[in-house]
Amino acid sequence: AQTVTQSQPEMSVQEAETVTLSCTYDTSESDYYLFWYKQPPSRQMILVIRQEAYKQQNATENRFSVNFQKAAKSFSLKISDSQLGDAAMYFCAYCREYGNKLVFGAGTILRVKS
Amino acid sequence: DGGITQSPKYLFRKEGQNVTLSCEQNLNHDAMYWYRQDPGQGLRLIYYSQIVNDFQKGDIAEGYSVSREKKESFPLTVTSAQKNPTAFYLCASTSPGLAGRNTGELFFGEGSRLTVL
Repeated sequence: AQTVTQSQPEMSVQEAETVTLSCTYDTSESDYYLFWYKQPPSRQMILVIRQEAYKQQNATENRFSVNFQKAAKSFSLKISDSQLGDAAMYFCAYCREYGNKLVFGAGTILRVKS
Repeated sequence: DGGITQSPKYLFRKEGQNVTLSCEQNLNHDAMYWYRQDPGQGLRLIYYSQIVNDFQKGDIAEGYSVSREKKESFPLTVTSAQKNPTAFYLCASTSPGLAGRNTGELFFGEGSRLTVL
């Protein structure tokens, strides 16, 4: 079974600085997708960024980028120029190419200090 | 506006009672999911349905039941057999991409918090 591990229960960052959230996963599949979801205090989950395993290029969405290391099964999220609105719980997630079942990590709480 | 509506937001239940959480979507999505969220454990899949009148157990289905009689609705019943039902419940939906491949993005409701007294 696939598993997703987020080893950092909590992280803090100063406003305008950069922070990296870690995620590792375990799978025997060669084609799959990885995601970072954000859950702000309102509890509404929002997709931040997604990476297809067959793509070597790391995904980027504005201030959010990933470092995808397929061989190491590592998928970290970098948030640049952190803003107060980035404070949330961040979940790393995995799904196979087919089937639509997402497996989530335990989450990392990100606190942003002004 | 299109989206997923969960109700109620907060629910209190006495031990031994069944309760039903509602999930309605107007996104025309085929697949719908129920996740349970507990502190420090992330989201765990309870049940999912990829088409009307069909659903499958997720990783923690014991003590829960679902139905999918309409495309837009996927209610979850927490039965008295669920030993530790106090949790935050999230409903989500998506549609497959071309040839059934994952699009990857789940659309979530705002959640329902169930507390057993």
